[in-house]
Amino acid sequence: KAGVTQTPRYLIKTRGQQVTLSCSPISGHRSVSWYQQTPGQGLQFLFEYFSETQRNKGNFPGRFSGRQFSNSRSEMNVSTLELGDSALYLCASSLERSSGANVLTFGAGSRLTVL
Amino acid sequence: DAKTTQPPSMDCAEGRAANLPCNHSTISGNEYVYWYRQIHSQGPQYIIHGLKNNETNEMASLIITEDRKSSTLILPHATLRDTAVYYCIVRVAGAGSYQLTFGKGTKLSVIP
Repeated sequence: KAGVTQTPRYLIKTRGQQVTLSCSPISGHRSVSWYQQTPGQGLQFLFEYFSETQRNKGNFPGRFSGRQFSNSRSEMNVSTLELGDSALYLCASSLERSSGANVLTFGAGSRLTVL
Repeated sequence: DAKTTQPPSMDCAEGRAANLPCNHSTISGNEYVYWYRQIHSQGPQYIIHGLKNNETNEMASLIITEDRKSSTLILPHATLRDTAVYYCIVRVAGAGSYQLTFGKGTKLSVIP
């Protein structure tokens, strides 16, 4: 069973550019969440999508956006990159349960360096 | 979400049991306790979760106190590959439960 796939694994951008990261969830998983991890702030929730709709959003500026496609694949975009956006961006997918615990399966992440 | 408190670091001898504590004194009745771990520069890995009862799977055991205010993750026979940061998280179940709040976790070092 394939896991969560994130591409690209590594990328370098310069300030002011934009970047798009991709996430392919586990087959059958319809929820996709995105997290940012930095040494200073740790793991922080960005947003979560289900059935092409954003259901939850963390406390990040509007430069951070995302979307989900009908096949549950998701992308996130960061515009007007700043040095502080350098981070490991993690995607997680999950089965949707109406009750009971929800377990997230994380991908290996996309490491973004902004110069 | 209930706040969790974990020791910043712990050491464990290889082959011995690793017992990682977590305090969540403000936990609500409908909040689960989750444990994830993150090996350096990889994505977090789910370990186990529980609501009230103790739980065991192929990776670990989770012991939750009767008042649910604290829990302990037990790795029965720690190996060097268990060296990682372990996160204890509490979160409600159901829709909207994907917004996990990760604290600083416990950095477990397994010593040969």
